[in-house]
Amino acid sequence: EVQLVESGGGLVQPGRSLRLSCTASGFTFGDNAVSWFRQAPGKGLEWVSFIRSKEYGGTTEYAASVKGRFTISRDDSRSIAYLQMNSLKSEDTAVYYCTRCGRQFGYYYMDVWGKGTTVTVSS
Amino acid sequence: DIQMTQSPSTLSASVGDRVTITCRASQSISSWLAWYQQKPGKAPKLLIYTASSLESGVPSRFSGSGSGTEFTLTISSLQPDDFATYYCQQYISYWTFGQGTKVEIK
Repeated sequence: EVQLVESGGGLVQPGRSLRLSCTASGFTFGDNAVSWFRQAPGKGLEWVSFIRSKEYGGTTEYAASVKGRFTISRDDSRSIAYLQMNSLKSEDTAVYYCTRCGRQFGYYYMDVWGKGTTVTVSS
Repeated sequence: DIQMTQSPSTLSASVGDRVTITCRASQSISSWLAWYQQKPGKAPKLLIYTASSLESGVPSRFSGSGSGTEFTLTISSLQPDDFATYYCQQYISYWTFGQGTKVEIK
């Protein structure tokens, strides 16, 4: 079964850091790009970060709201993607989802989603 | 940034109804549009990609159409499991979602 499992969420004070993990199983992790999304309580979906597969350079992208504070990375040998979140703000409070990305002609859509991990930024 | 606008925001319907949700993009996105279903407390689930391609395992009562800036998601005969929130998403330039359409029981 194709599966993504997020971990690492929790309660953190503003200005502190947290690292989320996304562990994949059931497919060849290194063949796919990975993206992180988030959903604040009662709100819609927001893209956070993206990392291409090594085949396409392993390059990264970030939403303006997190650029310079968050870092995405991947360890294909362990089938894990990470989201390092620094200088956290209250507005980063959300459920964070890891996704596998399907690719068509260089465009990526999200074909598998994890169940999410909750991040709460509060003093 | 490309803005996505869905209508309606809420839709009340009965089992067996034909349901249509509209999504408009602020600029042309060709056919690089996906539709997702989300139930309370759960992750989104991919239904449609490339505007009209049905994801494997998704019931055939779901269909998508459109290109450019106007898109629709149609559920041909609403089933009890279909009451949920639906999001469109463009993926030609990063990724942005519509605000969602909640399909409620009438």
